[in-house]
Amino acid sequence: QKEVEQNSGPLSVPEGAIASLNCTYSDRGSQSFFWYRQYSGKSPELIMFIYSNGDKEDGRFTAQLNKASQYVSLLIRDSQPSDSATYLCAVNKGFADKLIFGTGTRLQVFP
Amino acid sequence: GAVVSQHPSWVICKSGTSVKIECRSLDFQATTMFWYRQFPKQSLMLMATSNEGSKATYEQGVEKDKFLINHASLTLSTLTVTSAHPEDSSFYICSALPGQGQETQYFGPGTRLLVL
Repeated sequence: QKEVEQNSGPLSVPEGAIASLNCTYSDRGSQSFFWYRQYSGKSPELIMFIYSNGDKEDGRFTAQLNKASQYVSLLIRDSQPSDSATYLCAVNKGFADKLIFGTGTRLQVFP
Repeated sequence: GAVVSQHPSWVICKSGTSVKIECRSLDFQATTMFWYRQFPKQSLMLMATSNEGSKATYEQGVEKDKFLINHASLTLSTLTVTSAHPEDSSFYICSALPGQGQETQYFGPGTRLLVL
């Protein structure tokens, strides 16, 4: 079992729709959860992070964490073609610890 | 703030040569830097964790004698790929941790290495 699992996609959504990206992790000791966006040929850029169970909103993005079920998700509202990228889920076990990345979900937003 | 640079962005070299990649935190001090490698259509794989003034910690399967890491200052870490071979061709990305209670890693733009 991979430590961090994501559906590779592609996930195709129309412009203006909500895109829902999911991630599960195997280590219950995981403490922090991150979502990164990676455009083709570029390095990852941080979208947001979450530590506590529940929802965390930042603009069009909402991260959701459920530690009991060991999953974390990212919702993108009002999806735009510019959101088309690979979304990487990453977890670590504590402060300054290494990040374990999932393989990423490719999102395609079509006009 | 929290800008990380890498140099060079592209490098093409002949098999058997060594290549040095620099990672710099431009507007903060980074006690910890990480080096990742990403092959096409795959995710980032951590190669090593680099702490200023101490030896790097390598992940399982990563040859420390082949991938030399030097974290000489709080703003600079270097990765040297020694005796590079075509299978070392990849996208190398560093990240830096600001410390001071911050947990978010900031990534450099990456270095694409092609070994002929």
